[in-house]
Amino acid sequence: QVQLQESGPGLVKPSETLSLTCTVSGQSISSDYYWVWVRQPPGKGLEWIGSVHHNGKTYYDRSVKSRVAMSLDTSKNQFFLRLTSATAADTAMYFCARLTERGSNWFDPWGQGTLVTVSS
Amino acid sequence: VLTQSPGTLTLSPGERATLSCRASQAISDYLAWYQQKPGQAPRLLIYDASSRAAGIPDRFSGSGSGTDFTLTISRLEPEDSAVYYCQQYGYFGQGTKLEIK
Repeated sequence: QVQLQESGPGLVKPSETLSLTCTVSGQSISSDYYWVWVRQPPGKGLEWIGSVHHNGKTYYDRSVKSRVAMSLDTSKNQFFLRLTSATAADTAMYFCARLTERGSNWFDPWGQGTLVTVSS
Repeated sequence: VLTQSPGTLTLSPGERATLSCRASQAISDYLAWYQQKPGQAPRLLIYDASSRAAGIPDRFSGSGSGTDFTLTISRLEPEDSAVYYCQQYGYFGQGTKLEIK
């Protein structure tokens, strides 16, 4: 079955770049799906960050659009999140997931998540 | 914008839970529901308003279209305690916390 696993630094200094990797197994990321990042600040709800497709299309939430970039490496079956100029407000659990772009555009499956803290 | 109600719901085992999600504009049946337990990733329950995801028990059902949607959980079990979110593409509701006591 399809599995996703997030990885990256758990601690990022303010003003630096937050970089995460999602490794996908059980399915090629070159298939006809979008791949997404969703975050959850401590004690709060879910926030979609953005989506990326192997055809080069990306979509980002307007709240982070000026600071975010998503990309893929099909040879490694991985996709990536880069968020520049990190602040304490970026402290969150970060999840990667697969997006089925049909109807309600649902996210499934999800990775287990990785906690990123922005602090000096 | 998706608005969920109530914020918190406390019920007993065996009862039925009714969770609501209201969209600020009509979205046809394009709505999904997720369950999230503490320390875990969200799990897809329902997509396209009423279709159950693979492996989800038939105690979970979804209904609605347009702007008003409902997630119903029948015969509540203690393990149903969780936060439930509705979602439509890049938008999530704020969540309903369901407590089974």
